[in-house]
Amino acid sequence: QQQVKQSPQSLIVQKGGISIINCAYENTAFDYFPWYQQFPGKGPALLIAIRPDVSEKKEGRFTISFNKSAKQFSLHIMDSQPGDSATYFCAASRETSGSRLTFGEGTQLTVNP
Amino acid sequence: EPEVTQTPSHQVTQMGQEVILRCVPISNHLYFYWYRQILGQKVEFLVSFYNNEISEKSEIFDDQFSVERPDGSNFTLKIRSTKLEDSAMYFCASTISAGELFFGEGSRLTVL
Repeated sequence: QQQVKQSPQSLIVQKGGISIINCAYENTAFDYFPWYQQFPGKGPALLIAIRPDVSEKKEGRFTISFNKSAKQFSLHIMDSQPGDSATYFCAASRETSGSRLTFGEGTQLTVNP
Repeated sequence: EPEVTQTPSHQVTQMGQEVILRCVPISNHLYFYWYRQILGQKVEFLVSFYNNEISEKSEIFDDQFSVERPDGSNFTLKIRSTKLEDSAMYFCASTISAGELFFGEGSRLTVL
């Protein structure tokens, strides 16, 4: 019940296109859903996060869509750029202090110039 | 910008040897974590630490693992007797409360 399932495993998009990555969770106690971006040899860095009181959150070219009833959330990257090429991880946690993050399996995004 | 720093960046060790990975969390943060990532796989939670004690640990964090905050700044992960399957990238993270975790750049452990 702690699992977070992420798809696709890899994604290739042309520059300027839209990248969409999907995640599904099981534990209804989760109430904090961040996306992390990881470049090779680096640690994960927070990209954007959402809480279940809203269905969508947008920051620049990055948007999270959240469907509480379906227990799904997705990351949309608009106008994808080669510099967006990285591995993206969705995650979930209970937003109590110190609560651990459960990560999805990751999506390797490649944006071709 | 404050950051989580980890040392060493890469350590190679023989199976059965003890390894200590070190982390300096962001100075005003109160919660500290270790995660690991086996090559090409997802990031997995190992342990969380608050107020000088373990607050939560995963099934991966068995008796071979221990954590310590020996002074006001360092946070260490010790693996007592390394196994081949301990080869992974180990990430330290910290946060001031609930919400965003700040990760270090990781320590790559290779067990031969």
